[in-house]
Amino acid sequence: SQQGEEDPQALSIQEGENATMNCSYKTSINNLQWYRQNSGRGLVHLILIRSNEREKHSGRLRVTLDTSKKSSSLLITASRAADTASYFCATDTKGGSEKLVFGKGTKLTVNP
Amino acid sequence: DVKVTQSSRYLVKRTGEKVFLECVQDMDHENMFWYRQDPGLGLRLIYFSYDVKMKEKGDIPEGYSVSREKKERFSLILESASTNQTSMYLCASSFLTAGAQETQYFGPGTRLLVL
Repeated sequence: SQQGEEDPQALSIQEGENATMNCSYKTSINNLQWYRQNSGRGLVHLILIRSNEREKHSGRLRVTLDTSKKSSSLLITASRAADTASYFCATDTKGGSEKLVFGKGTKLTVNP
Repeated sequence: DVKVTQSSRYLVKRTGEKVFLECVQDMDHENMFWYRQDPGLGLRLIYFSYDVKMKEKGDIPEGYSVSREKKERFSLILESASTNQTSMYLCASSFLTAGAQETQYFGPGTRLLVL
C-alpha cells in the first residue's frame, strides 16, 4: 500500500542550485522521515520530523511538514555533485503497526 | 555507529534453489525488516520482526519466509527461488517505540539474480 508519493520523479540541477522535493501522504502520521540512497546501495536516514513539528533543519537540509495538506518538502541548499542520489520519504501510520511505508523516490542529479 | 550487515552484495541462484539471505545488526534493535526494491515500484516490505521468534507479514510475503532465532540476526528465506524474485533485497533495523516508527538503519543490500 502506497502512503508517501514523491514529486517530481526526477530532478536535474546545476551544482550550487537548490533542490526541492515534495512528498504527499494519505493518512494521519506520527512522523515523516526522509532517506537518501546512492546508486546500488542501502538507504541512509537524513531527517525525521514529528507530526507536531512544522520545520526542521540539518546542515544544508530543510524539511517542512504540513499535516493539514498531508505533505512535506525536502530542500537541499547549495547542492553538490555528491548530492546526486535518490531521495525517499517514509511515513508511519498513527495507530498503526511498527512499520514505515516508503514512496517511490525522487532521483536527483546534480551536474558539476 | 549503527552497523547493519548483509551476508552477500551479489548473489546468483538457479530457479528452484533454496536461498538464504542473512542480516545482522549490532545496535540491540528490537525491530528488523526485509524489503525488496524494484525499479518503478520502490521499497516494498516483505516481513518484519519486533522480537526474537516473532514475525509479521509485510505487503508481499508470498514466496518468502523468515527466521529470527537471535535478536541481532534476521534471515530471509526463499524456499524455491523463482525468476520474479530477482531483485535488490534490503535489510533494516530500528528500536521499538510504542506507537511510532523511528529511524531505520539499512544494510548495503543484496542484489539477487535468479536464472
